[in-house]
Amino acid sequence: NAGVTQTPKFQVLKTGQSMTLQCAQDMNHNSMYWYRQDPGMGLRLIYYSASEGTTDKGEVPNGYNVSRLNKREFSLRLESAAPSQTSVYFCASSAPGQGNTEAFFGQGTRLTVV
Amino acid sequence: AQSVTQPDIHITVSEGASLELRCNYSYGATPYLFWYVQSPGQGLQLLLKYFSGDTLVQGIKGFEAEFKRSQSSFNLRKPSVHWSDAAEYFCAVGAWGTGNQFYFGTGTSLTVIP
Repeated sequence: NAGVTQTPKFQVLKTGQSMTLQCAQDMNHNSMYWYRQDPGMGLRLIYYSASEGTTDKGEVPNGYNVSRLNKREFSLRLESAAPSQTSVYFCASSAPGQGNTEAFFGQGTRLTVV
Repeated sequence: AQSVTQPDIHITVSEGASLELRCNYSYGATPYLFWYVQSPGQGLQLLLKYFSGDTLVQGIKGFEAEFKRSQSSFNLRKPSVHWSDAAEYFCAVGAWGTGNQFYFGTGTSLTVIP
């Protein structure tokens, strides 16, 4: 049981480049999330998807877009990377109302924008 | 608005000593509360959760937490700390009525000295 899988694990981008972070879960969860983690800031929600076909902005959505491709997959896109987007990105999933209400996290993607 | 406060940025304890990490939350309804642990370079692992019922909840690795509604607190405790407990600890509240979101505190970093 893989849980939540994120790719890639590490990435270095130049300012202005674009990239997509991939996330997939195999737990049949309805809800999926993208967070960024910065020192002293905890985890801040970028976007979330409460169910397949819906996405909503979180606390820090500027500079990002997301796609809920299907129930399993939720991708995060940086269209024009900036140094301020250097961070560790975590994808998570949960199933409120389905018995498991905690968030399950991937291992993270460490992104550096130079 | 929902929020989580972890007032201690960093705590140092001696191995074998007791530990208490503080967490205060702000939420209008009955909260779903969580404690997660993050080892360096890893994702977040759930330690324990509270939804309802007994206000003292037991978790993995010998941790427990007590929900106190009157104080809006959910403090994490461990009677005897082991060197392997050195990590970052995050408290979180789940808010299902507002699009199934989780709100995290800024974390407490635990150092264990021999």
